[in-house]
Amino acid sequence: DQQVKQNSPSLSVQEGRISILNCDYTNSMFDYFLWYKKYPAEGPTFLISISSIKDKNEDGRFTVFLNKSAKHLSLHIVPSQPGDSAVYFCAASGSGGGADGLTFGKGTHLIIQP
Amino acid sequence: DTAVSQTPKYLVTQMGNDKSIKCEQNLGHDTMYWYKQDSKKFLKIMFSYNNKELIINETVPNRFSPKSPDKAHLNLHINSLELGDSAVYFCASGGSNYGYTFGSGTRLTVV
Repeated sequence: DQQVKQNSPSLSVQEGRISILNCDYTNSMFDYFLWYKKYPAEGPTFLISISSIKDKNEDGRFTVFLNKSAKHLSLHIVPSQPGDSAVYFCAASGSGGGADGLTFGKGTHLIIQP
Repeated sequence: DTAVSQTPKYLVTQMGNDKSIKCEQNLGHDTMYWYKQDSKKFLKIMFSYNNKELIINETVPNRFSPKSPDKAHLNLHINSLELGDSAVYFCASGGSNYGYTFGSGTRLTVV
C-alpha cells in the first residue's frame, strides 16, 4: 500500500529550463512533506519541506507547492542546473513530532541535459 | 567531519551468518532511525530510537535488532541472514524540525 506515490520514474529537462517533480499521497493524516535529493552511493540529503498549513515554500531555486484537497505536491526547480541531476524522493510525516519516521515515495530520477 | 557515519559501506556475506552495521551521529539529535532501500528502490523505515527507547518497530523480522549503547549510536544487528535481506541500509538521525540527516548507506549482499 503506497501512501506516497511518485508516478514518474524519470524526467529529462534541458539545462536552464524548469524541472517539475510531482508527488501524490493518500494518507490525510500526513501533516509535513519533504523533498530529498540523492546522488549514487550517497544517502538522501534534505532539500526543502512544507507544512500542511501552507501551500507554498520557496528556497532559492527550489519551490514546493502543496494542494491538500488534491493530496498533491510538486517540486519546482528553476533554472535547472547540471548538478541537479539526481534522484528526488518525496516524503511525508504524520503528527508524531517527527518520531514516526518518514514515508517515502519511490523517487524520480531527474536528468538535466546540457 | 561526517554528521551521520555508518560502517561498513559494503558488506558481502553468506546466508546464515550474523552481521552488524554501525551508525554514529554527532548532531546531538534525539532520535535515530534505520531505513531499508530494497531492490524496488523503496525507502522504508525499520526502527527508530529516541533516548534509548524503541518507538517504532515496523513489520521487520525479529532477526533484525537495533542496539543503542548511547544517544549518539544506533547499531543494527542481523542474525541468520537470508538472500532477501540484500538491500541498502541507511541510518538517519533527526531533531524536531523533521530535517533528517542520512548516512551514506551500507550495501548488504547476501550470497
